[in-house]
Amino acid sequence: SQKIEQNSEALNIQEGKTATLTCNYTNYSPAYLQWYRQDPGRGPVFLLLIRENEKEKRKERLKVTFDTTLKQSLFHITASQPADSATYLCALDATGGSYIPTFGRGTSLIVHP
Amino acid sequence: DGGITQSPKYLFRKEGQNVTLSCEQNLNHDAMYWYRQDPGQGLRLIYYSQIVNDFQKGDIAEGYSVSREKKESFPLTVTSAQKNPTAFYLCASSPQAVSSHNEQFFGPGTRLTVL
Repeated sequence: SQKIEQNSEALNIQEGKTATLTCNYTNYSPAYLQWYRQDPGRGPVFLLLIRENEKEKRKERLKVTFDTTLKQSLFHITASQPADSATYLCALDATGGSYIPTFGRGTSLIVHP
Repeated sequence: DGGITQSPKYLFRKEGQNVTLSCEQNLNHDAMYWYRQDPGQGLRLIYYSQIVNDFQKGDIAEGYSVSREKKESFPLTVTSAQKNPTAFYLCASSPQAVSSHNEQFFGPGTRLTVL
């Protein structure tokens, strides 16, 4: 069956360091992968989308990589700040070509001052 | 302000009652979605609609119903048939459902508690 795996343990890092979050998937051949940020009690906010033929995408301090051989995406936040503390969700399009994303459980990031 | 709104923010329901959650968007998006989020779990798709007067079941549609009479509105009814309705409900919209670029815009959510 299809699975999206994100680390359920929170990632704790020091301010200024680079945070790296992982999204692994099995039994998918996604056309694209998205990353969202979710703050407690609020709806997710879209951050970045990367397509299957793209290896890397950047937006300000954010960088996403997509390795379809490893079936993995890495999400990096450089020069992290306490304001970056949130839960980060990855989402892949469902099989069958509906392009409706299926979401992972998310990983909590805590940036300490 | 363009966006997607949900109301109420908090909702309490007695067992056996139906309750309707509101979702409105002024983004002129064709597609709208309802998700359920439980602690420690990902978003699970309840229903989605690609166009007015049409909607499709998602992964966990049992015990829920929707309507899409207007492009801007996609209300979700949680019926008494839903055995474990306490959860955080999120509404989302996207320009199209079938697209190679399907960024979703989410509302602020409604937290439903069954007493």
